[in-house]
Formats: sequence, structure tokens, C-alpha cells
Amino acid sequence: EPEVTQTPSHQVTQMGQEVILRCVPISNHLYFYWYRQILGQKVEFLVSFYNNEISEKSEIFDDQFSVERPDGSNFTLKIRSTKLEDSAMYFCASYGRDTQYFGPGTRLTVL
Amino acid sequence: ILNVEQSPQSLHVQEGDSTNFTCSFPSSNFYALHWYRWETAKSPEALFVMTLNGDEKKKGRISATLNTKEGYSYLYIKGSQPEDSATYLCAFPNSGYSTLTFGKGTMLLVSP
Repeated sequence: EPEVTQTPSHQVTQMGQEVILRCVPISNHLYFYWYRQILGQKVEFLVSFYNNEISEKSEIFDDQFSVERPDGSNFTLKIRSTKLEDSAMYFCASYGRDTQYFGPGTRLTVL
Repeated sequence: ILNVEQSPQSLHVQEGDSTNFTCSFPSSNFYALHWYRWETAKSPEALFVMTLNGDEKKKGRISATLNTKEGYSYLYIKGSQPEDSATYLCAFPNSGYSTLTFGKGTMLLVSP
């Protein structure tokens, strides 16, 4: 069965560094999303993407964040200058058959 | 801001016990209610998408009901098994493709 994949599974970085989190959505899906879960808190929406542009974004998704679909299969989330509070599990999802399908997440640790 | 609440936060049952937990959501402008099961280190797995008031859906030993008028959904697990141990998340979309607002989840532990 097709699935959403994410790499890496765990990323450790120093505060102020740039990170790129990668996702491969399910191939015939057209809507893509990033969510994150800070430890002990709810899963929260970051951004949605359709037709090669952002369709919706939350207040969390500020100028430090960007998304890209560089080659028609990968979907990336870039954080330009990481902060301690960016430490979280980041989930990618794609939409199909009436629901969103999630990847296994990337755990980002900012030191 | 949508408020989606789940209870209890955690639950510990013995193998063979049946259990249930609750998701409450805004009853106005209802579109759908999603249930996911999330095991550690795995992808959250879509269980059900509930759309109609009075809906009842079943997948093996797991079933869910929906009351859109009062804004709640129940998830039931009959005869819990250790492999049912996971966090169960409910999520509320604004529309078909739109973002999901999640509850905090119910962490279920089933002991053999």
C-alpha cells in the first residue's frame, strides 16, 4: 500500500542552523501538509500546499519557514534559523480518499 | 480557534477488557471527524472518517459513533489486545481538503 515517507527520522541541529526536512507524499495526491507536535502538546498545523503554492498557513509558519516541491515527488520544509522552541516531531501528510495520510515524522532536536 | 478535546488523556486496561474514549468538537459548521491511531515511531494511521450524524463505523474490534448535534464522537475497542496500545487522535477539518485541528489524544496501554 502506498505510504508517505519522511527523512531523516531524527535530526539534531544547533540553534541558528538551517534544516531541511524531506517528505515523499503518496504519488497521485495533490494536497500536502506539514504539522508538528511539541512534546506533550497537540499536533498543530503549519502549512498546506496545492498546485505548487501555499494554500493555507498558521501563525507558527513565519518567515523562518518555507516549503517547496522541487521535483514533483519530494515536498520539503525548511527552517532557516532554528530556535530551541522549534524542537518537535514534524509530520508531513498528503490528502486522498477523504482523509490525510501521514508520514512517520522527523524528530527535530535543536540544541 | 477550534477546540477539539479528548478524554481521558490516558487509559490502562487489561487484555480482554473493552474500552471507550471520547472526542468533543464544535457542533456548528460540522464537516467531518477523523480518528487516527498513532503507535510510537510509526505513521499515524487513519481509522475512520465520520461525516453523518448517527454514523457508526467499524474496523475489526474497533468502532466509532458520531453525534454532530451535541458535538462528540466515541471510539470503542472490544476485547483490547496489547497490539491496540497506541495514542488515539481525533481531528476536525474545516472542509474537505483543509487543515486538521487535533485533540491531544488518548494514550491507551493494554497489558497482557
